[in-house]
Amino acid sequence: DIQMTQSPSSLSASVGDRVTITCRASQTISNYLNWYQQKPGKAPNLLIYAASRLQSGVPSRFSGSGSGTDFTLTISNLQPEDFATYYCQQSYSNLPYTFGQGTKLEIK
Amino acid sequence: VQLAESGGGLVKPGGSLRLSCAASGFPFTNVWVNWVRQSPGKGLEWLGRIEREAEGGTSHYAASVKGRFTISRDDSKNMVYLQMNSLKSEDTAVYFCAALLGVDMYNWFDPWGQGTLVTVSS
Repeated sequence: DIQMTQSPSSLSASVGDRVTITCRASQTISNYLNWYQQKPGKAPNLLIYAASRLQSGVPSRFSGSGSGTDFTLTISNLQPEDFATYYCQQSYSNLPYTFGQGTKLEIK
Repeated sequence: VQLAESGGGLVKPGGSLRLSCAASGFPFTNVWVNWVRQSPGKGLEWLGRIEREAEGGTSHYAASVKGRFTISRDDSKNMVYLQMNSLKSEDTAVYFCAALLGVDMYNWFDPWGQGTLVTVSS
């Protein structure tokens, strides 16, 4: 199985800040990497697919980059509604699909 | 485009439960449907999927549930089911169904249902 490791596990930031979350795959996955946002009691919501393509309707302050084994999710100009948990997920191997352990973004 | 799970609840260890996933608003027959769970306070775990009937409707499972869980679909009702047998305490989680969509060679989980809570406890 492809292991996905996110860092940090948690992060404190203020409204208006820029934050970066990292996701590392245990083997190369090209750019088959998705990012999701999850708020408490809700299902995950797709933000980015193919490592850098913004899902329709997602604000442009979200961006993704990377290829191979190392990926980043950057949120610029943090807004109050961005405080949530973020997950990466690889779609390179579909047996099984695997997620990172999550990064909780909290208000400082 | 919506998915909605139902059927969660409290079950004793060793017991069984069947979850349902109802789809509306899109051509359900054309999508792979997946089940993903989230244990309390933990991350997301892919459990399995069922492929399109046109491709044989094959199901695949994560090692953690293989042999205990079975996914089936009834496209005439726009429904997918997760039959869970021999339940253990560690199966306690919120269970989500999610469609697999994509473009080019890329795919992702979207939409997701709202989740249904399964608690395995005596």
